[in-house]
Amino acid sequence: KAGVTQTPRYLIKTRGQQVTLSCSPISGHRSVSWYQQTPGQGLQFLFEYFSETQRNKGNFPGRFSGRQFSNSRSEMNVSTLELGDSALYLCASSMTNNEQFFGPGTRLTVL
Amino acid sequence: KQEVTQIPAALSVPEGENLVLNCSFTDSAIYNLQWFRQDPGKGLTSLLLIQSSQREQTSGRLNASLDKSSGRSTLYIAASQPGDSATYLCAGISGNTPLVFGKGTRLSVIA
Repeated sequence: KAGVTQTPRYLIKTRGQQVTLSCSPISGHRSVSWYQQTPGQGLQFLFEYFSETQRNKGNFPGRFSGRQFSNSRSEMNVSTLELGDSALYLCASSMTNNEQFFGPGTRLTVL
Repeated sequence: KQEVTQIPAALSVPEGENLVLNCSFTDSAIYNLQWFRQDPGKGLTSLLLIQSSQREQTSGRLNASLDKSSGRSTLYIAASQPGDSATYLCAGISGNTPLVFGKGTRLSVIA
C-alpha cells in the first residue's frame, strides 16, 4: 500500500507570493491533517479535513487555507507569503482518530 | 487543553545501552498516544500507537507504555544502535482533537 505522498518536496518563493501544497493520503484514509514544523515552534497543527469538511483548525492566520477533494486528496494554500512561513509542511492521514501516517513533507523557503 | 512535554530534550548514549524516553501529558482523557521517529529534514515515521484501553505496545526492540492516571508514557529502546539516532516525538489525541506534539528528544547513539 502506498504511503502518504506530498508534492512538491521543495519550494522556493519570495515574500508576497502564494503557494499551494498537495497531499495524497493512504488509500482508504478519509482524514488529512496539516502541520507546520519550524526549529523554534516545533510541530504546530494547521487544520484537519475529513470527508471534504474542515473538522479542526489551528491558530494560524487566514492566509493559511486548505481544502479536501472527494478522493480525499488535500491541498493547502498560503497567500501573501512572509519570511516566517519558511518551514517544513507535513501532511498526515488516518482512518479516523487512529494511527496517523505522515508524508515526507514539503520544505518551503521564503526569500 | 492538552500539553505534551518530553524529557530530556537531548540524549547521548553508547551503542548497546538500553534507554528510556519520557513523555508527559496534562489531559488524562487521552484517546491515543503515538510515538514517532524523525530523521533530519524528513517526515515522521510512526513507531507505536497505544490506544487508551491499552497499557503498552511492543515492536521489535521498542516498547511503549501508557499510564493515564499519572499522565505519562515511556518509550524503551533495547540494545541501542547508531541507526537509532534520530529525534523521537510523542503525540496525544484527546477526544476529537488533532495530535498535540511534544518538542521531542534528540537521541544520539555513539558507536
